[in-house]
Amino acid sequence: KQEVTQIPAALSVPEGENLVLNCSFTDSAIYNLQWFRQDPGKGLTSLLLIQSSQREQTSGRLNASLDKSSGRSTLYIAASQPGDSATYLCAVSPGGVYNFNKFYFGSGTKLNVKP
Amino acid sequence: SAVISQKPSRDICQRGTSLTIQCQVDSQVTMMFWYRQQPGQSLTLIATANQGSEATYESGFVIDKFPISRPNLTFSTLTVSNMSPEDSSIYLCSGESYNEQFFGPGTRLTVL
Repeated sequence: KQEVTQIPAALSVPEGENLVLNCSFTDSAIYNLQWFRQDPGKGLTSLLLIQSSQREQTSGRLNASLDKSSGRSTLYIAASQPGDSATYLCAVSPGGVYNFNKFYFGSGTKLNVKP
Repeated sequence: SAVISQKPSRDICQRGTSLTIQCQVDSQVTMMFWYRQQPGQSLTLIATANQGSEATYESGFVIDKFPISRPNLTFSTLTVSNMSPEDSSIYLCSGESYNEQFFGPGTRLTVL
């Protein structure tokens, strides 16, 4: 079964700092990987989706990379803002005809950006 | 993208009762899923809701405890049966469209 790990579990940084969140997965045979943001009391917001054939995706100040062979992904946040404070979740969709649209989640990184 | 709503948003229930959670998507999605997020933990997939047929459950989850319906492409229900305090969690519905997953706001369930 796919295991997804996120490091660090929590991170506190001053506003304006660039930061990297890490995600690793045990089975490199994935279909895609998606980064989400979860705010307290709310559902999940999709940030970036990387297909298995892609190396990275960018959206505004966010950049996500994928190294399938090593089972790793990183989410880079540039010029962090207090509004970026949330829990960031990494999820992978395993390969296989019947599994490609399921997701297995990491435990998340709780980010606090201090003004 | 798809916008997903859930009802109720939260509920407090007594041990031994059942609660049905509704999930509505504003557009057709290929797949629908139900997840559980226990306090302080990440999301765990409960089952895939299949239109017009029985749901496909993940290891550790059974139909008698979590019956699921999906009568059409935009609606699904999850029932948490014979509840115990261990069932206190957030239950989230998701839909998949073009390989991207979208989530509802979740239903926060507390069982006394």
